[in-house]
Amino acid sequence: GEDVEQSLFLSVREGDSSVINCTYTDSSSTYLYWYKQEPGAGLQLLTYIFSNMDMKQDQRLTVLLNKKDKHLSLRIADTQTGDSAIYFCAESMDSSYKLIFGSGTRLLVRP
Amino acid sequence: GAVVSQHPSRVICKSGTSVKIECRSLDFQATTMFWYRQFPKQSLMLMATSNEGSKATYEQGVEKDKFLINHASLTLSTLTVTSAHPEDSSFYICSASKGATNEKLFFGSGTQLSVL
Repeated sequence: GEDVEQSLFLSVREGDSSVINCTYTDSSSTYLYWYKQEPGAGLQLLTYIFSNMDMKQDQRLTVLLNKKDKHLSLRIADTQTGDSAIYFCAESMDSSYKLIFGSGTRLLVRP
Repeated sequence: GAVVSQHPSRVICKSGTSVKIECRSLDFQATTMFWYRQFPKQSLMLMATSNEGSKATYEQGVEKDKFLINHASLTLSTLTVTSAHPEDSSFYICSASKGATNEKLFFGSGTQLSVL
């Protein structure tokens, strides 16, 4: 079946890089997403990657996809306190198909 | 931008009562809205797809008589948890679709339901 897994918690020091990992089981996934949820707010789409890509970079964010191992990661460079939030990875078979979410990783950035 | 408002953010109710959660798209019309549920330390799970003017489509294992969805207008969908029990305690979150693809999906801030 479909399953997306993430570690629940990550703590990093301000200025360091953060790497949030995600594994999925559905080999037919074609789109993989990263969402951010700040306290009291809705999930916000950060970035997404198509399955034929290995990497996507957007400013401080780098997404790496290892399709063979079904492993997705989000790297945040120069992590700031404002990056403290819950990060969800999600996958879908198609850009308009339903999203399958992980449990979310709570990122805590220490000053 | 696109804003989705979900209300209430937190509700505590007695077992056996019904609770209504609202999801509104504030600055766009959404023919499709989605309802999700998340138990502690588990994944955000899609419960149902709400289509304006028609019956909602429920995911496997979700009781449609337990979770009533009404999408009466292009900006409002409601989820009513009927005869709530402690096992219904969960985090419920909605999303509204502004377009055909997932990049056009916008989320509410969620409702934490606690049933005593």
